[in-house]
Amino acid sequence: DQQVKQNSPSLSVQEGRISILNCDYTNSMFDYFLWYKKYPAEGPTFLISISSIKDKNEDGRFTVFLNKSAKHLSLHIVPSQPGDSAVYFCAAIGAAGNKLTFGGGTRVLVKP
Amino acid sequence: GAGVSQTPSNKVTEKGKYVELRCDPISGHTALYWYRQSLGQGPEFLIYFQGTGAADDSGLPNDRFFAVRPEGSVSTLKIQRTERGDSAVYLCASSVWGLASNEQFFGPGTRLTVL
Repeated sequence: DQQVKQNSPSLSVQEGRISILNCDYTNSMFDYFLWYKKYPAEGPTFLISISSIKDKNEDGRFTVFLNKSAKHLSLHIVPSQPGDSAVYFCAAIGAAGNKLTFGGGTRVLVKP
Repeated sequence: GAGVSQTPSNKVTEKGKYVELRCDPISGHTALYWYRQSLGQGPEFLIYFQGTGAADDSGLPNDRFFAVRPEGSVSTLKIQRTERGDSAVYLCASSVWGLASNEQFFGPGTRLTVL
């Protein structure tokens, strides 16, 4: 049973447009959410996070939205750039825990 | 500064053999994590160390898997009697403490292939 799901395995977007990545979770004990970006042959790198007490967090071109009642979060990248082409993982962590629970990832391709 | 390093980067072994995977965390990080990423999936938690002790090993799939961190720095993941299903990328991460808000920094991983 996947506690964190990314239902879109891939996304293709034109350079300059918005990329929207979605993530759903089932465990109501999760209270901190993160997005990681991964290039081939490298480990995941942290992108942006959000605490469950917030509904939005913004960092430059990246914004994460959290809808707790729907157990849904999304990552917006605007404008998308070719260097954003990578696999993006949504992850969640519980209040008393430390381990990250990851979704299956979404591969983003930004076309020039 | 140096990030998390993992050796070897690739390991090919035969079914039934024993393997050791090494992780060097960022200096000063007290928390260390092992994850496993199978093809087409997200990383899955294996074990978490706070200092020298395994604070949470609930993700280890069975007793063929064992990890140590004897001096609170370098960690070794040990897999006995490897099976083809153990083939995956094994990722190590470290963080300053084990708090949820502490960023986990990942190494590049060790790709294990069991023939």
